[in-house]
Amino acid sequence: QVQLVESGGGLVKPGGSLRLSCTGSGFTFSDYYMSWIRQAPGKGLEWISYISRSGDMFFYADSVKGRFTVSRDNAKNSLYLQMNSLRADDTAVYLCARYLEAFDVWGQGAMVTVSS
Amino acid sequence: EIVLTQSPDFQSVTPKEKVTITCRASQSVGIALHWYRQKPGQSPELLIKYVSQSFSGVPSKFSGSGSGTDFTLTINSLEAEDAAMYYCHQTSDLHTFGQGTKLEI
Repeated sequence: QVQLVESGGGLVKPGGSLRLSCTGSGFTFSDYYMSWIRQAPGKGLEWISYISRSGDMFFYADSVKGRFTVSRDNAKNSLYLQMNSLRADDTAVYLCARYLEAFDVWGQGAMVTVSS
Repeated sequence: EIVLTQSPDFQSVTPKEKVTITCRASQSVGIALHWYRQKPGQSPELLIKYVSQSFSGVPSKFSGSGSGTDFTLTINSLEAEDAAMYYCHQTSDLHTFGQGTKLEI
């Protein structure tokens, strides 16, 4: 079945780095734009990044611009989020989502905790 | 950045009632407005795309309307499983989400 699975979450100190992965299955990964969306504990959804089908176009929310980098490897059906200079307010569940007109498939999320 | 403001933030309803959630955009988003439901402990799921198009498999009790800056999500015949957070989302200019509406049944 169509599925997205995130991995790579964990506990990291302020200023540290972490790389998240999202692997898709059950569909042709390269046919879709992909996004990262995060949800801080008890809060709403915040879109943070998207990447085009080929990976040559990407956009970021102002809150992560210059610190986070999105990439993809279509041969591995995988989406990545490199997160640098992490801050306490980056603590959240990070969800990847497939985009076709809207976010029609979501992963289960990876928890990232930034704390000393 | 386009800001989406939902109302109400919270609503408590009884089973079989109908509820309407509104989403107001800070500038026109045309029809690029979508709705999601997020049940407790789960990831969001798409309900409605482009204002009024039901996503595959979504029950007909969910409907959407509006255009420009003002949109509504209507849920008929509420059931206990509809207790969730509901979010609107615009794709006219990058992406933003509304702050969410918590529905308690």
